[in-house]
Amino acid sequence: DIQMTQSPSSLSASVGDRVTITCQASQDISNYLNWYQQKPGKAPKLLIYDASNLETGVPSRFSGSGSGTDFTFTISSLQPEDIATYYCQQYDNLRLTFGGGTKVEIK
Amino acid sequence: EVQLVESGGGLVQPGRSLRLSCTASGFTFGDYAMSWVRQAPGKGLEWVGFIRSKAYGGTREYAASVKGRFTISRDDSKSIAYLQMNSLKTEDTAVYYCTRCGGDCYTSSNWGQGTLVTVSS
Repeated sequence: DIQMTQSPSSLSASVGDRVTITCQASQDISNYLNWYQQKPGKAPKLLIYDASNLETGVPSRFSGSGSGTDFTFTISSLQPEDIATYYCQQYDNLRLTFGGGTKVEIK
Repeated sequence: EVQLVESGGGLVQPGRSLRLSCTASGFTFGDYAMSWVRQAPGKGLEWVGFIRSKAYGGTREYAASVKGRFTISRDDSKSIAYLQMNSLKTEDTAVYYCTRCGGDCYTSSNWGQGTLVTVSS
């Protein structure tokens, strides 16, 4: 199975900061990569699909890029409501795996 | 509005069985694949498996960790997806989420609120 290495596992940033999370796949997954946000005690929510497409209704400060094995998720200007854990998820050969998650906190 | 409501969770002894249900509303259930994803307490997300829509053959795929023990099914007439869990192990303890997805379930566009399954003696 394809392994997803997500980093960092946690970060602390100030409101208005640019935040970047990376996800590396153990083999080429083209653009089959999604990003989810999970707030404490809540279900995950899809933010980005196919590596760079913004889900309907998601604020434009969220973005994704990458293809192949290296992917990046960015929050252009961190807001207090963005406190959450973010997961990447790949799909390849009918198997799905998630990254370990990145917990984002406000400094 | 798409709604997914899981039910059936609870405390169960190791080796026993449990069936979870996911009741859907707000969309044409039969047109979509449905998946299950779980999250052990304090841990990350783990894909369990999915079932395709009838248009895609209604077939299923499972994670290696549950294959042979868990079975996903669906009743399109009732808009319900099921997760039958047999031979439960303590490591199956988790919140189980059902999700709506398309085709081969690459992307989970909607999630239920989850139901907690605790496997313990």
